[in-house]
Amino acid sequence: NAGVTQTPKFRVLKTGQSMTLLCAQDMNHEYMYWYRQDPGMGLRLIHYSVGEGTTAKGEVPDGYNVSRLKKQNFLLGLESAAPSQTSVYFCASRPQGARNTEAFFGQGTRLTVV
Amino acid sequence: KQEVTQIPAALSVPEGENLVLNCSFTDSAIYNLQWFRQDPGKGLTSLLLIQSSQREQTSGRLNASLDKSSGRSTLYIAASQPGDSATYLCAVRTLGTGTASKLTFGTGTRLQVTL
Repeated sequence: NAGVTQTPKFRVLKTGQSMTLLCAQDMNHEYMYWYRQDPGMGLRLIHYSVGEGTTAKGEVPDGYNVSRLKKQNFLLGLESAAPSQTSVYFCASRPQGARNTEAFFGQGTRLTVV
Repeated sequence: KQEVTQIPAALSVPEGENLVLNCSFTDSAIYNLQWFRQDPGKGLTSLLLIQSSQREQTSGRLNASLDKSSGRSTLYIAASQPGDSATYLCAVRTLGTGTASKLTFGTGTRLQVTL
């Protein structure tokens, strides 16, 4: 029962470097999300996707890009990392259909930008 | 804009106590409310989901209630155990931009159950 898997779990970047976070789900869910979690601020939505080939901006999209080339994968990219992007990143997925569906989360990626 | 508040931010109780965690939200037009547990350095584990038409949901020692009109939910934990120590988050699902719904999270209650 893999569920939602995030890769990598930890990463340290230097300012200006780029990287891609991978989220993979094996539940055939249509919807996928990227959140960031910062102390005292709760989880905030970065980008989301309502299906293969679609992406949309969330609350805090600046500095991030995403792609959903395959239904099971949702990639989050940082083109030029900044210290303000130090955070814990969570991916989530849920089924399509009724909005009364449960969201499932990955284990998180802890990113530090120095 | 939906805002979710959880009070208290931290709570410490002795083992065996029954306890209540509170969640309030500003926009009552929600689809559902979900309670999560988060252990330090870990992801979110879904505990209970209450649909907007429901008043409560139960799972084992956990009972979640929802009063949509007043914008409140409570998570009741019976006979607390040290293994219940974690941060508990509530999140409400509302209509977002376009036709996509969105989850808005509270900042959580950090629970410690002591021996």
